Amino acid sequence: AQTVTQSQPEMSVQEAETVTLSCTYDTSESDYYLFWYKQPPSRQMILVIRQEAYKQQNATENRFSVNFQKAAKSFSLKISDSQLGDAAMYFCAYHHYNQGGKLIFGQGTELSVKP
Amino acid sequence: DTAVSQTPKYLVTQMGNDKSIKCEQNLGHDTMYWYKQDSKKFLKIMFSYNNKELIINETVPNRFSPKSPDKAHLNLHINSLELGDSAVYFCASSQVGTVSYEQYFGPGTRLTVT
Repeated sequence: AQTVTQSQPEMSVQEAETVTLSCTYDTSESDYYLFWYKQPPSRQMILVIRQEAYKQQNATENRFSVNFQKAAKSFSLKISDSQLGDAAMYFCAYHHYNQGGKLIFGQGTELSVKP
Repeated sequence: DTAVSQTPKYLVTQMGNDKSIKCEQNLGHDTMYWYKQDSKKFLKIMFSYNNKELIINETVPNRFSPKSPDKAHLNLHINSLELGDSAVYFCASSQVGTVSYEQYFGPGTRLTVT
């Protein structure tokens, strides 16, 4: 069974600095999707960035980028120029189409941003 | 316009009661899901429906019964509520066959069982 592990329960970053959140996963599949979701105190789940496993190029979305290492089964999220609004719980998630579409989530990383 | 909506957003009830949470999506998606987020914020799939057909039932107690009257709605009915059912329940939807199967989440329903 697939598993997703986020080993950092909490992280802290100074405003305007860069922070990297770690995620590792386990799967025997070769084609799958990986996601980072953000959950602010409002509890709304917001998609931050997605990565298709068949693409070698790392995904980027404005200040958010990933470091996808397929062989190492690692999928880290880098937030550049951190802003106070980035403070939230961040979840890494795995998806494979033959799992009925379900997302398998990591335990989450609580990110705080210091002014 | 709200893409995925849930009602109610908060639900406080006593042990033993029966309650329902409703979910509606206006995205035209064919697949809907229920996830449970526990007190440690861990998110786990409960059910998934594709075109009104149950495709995932993830070892959830049979006190939980999803119902999909049409592909835009997926309701969750819970019988004989227990303290351990207290959690945030999220509905989500996606379109199978799209590039990324991206799931859109509702705002969540915080259920508190006393």
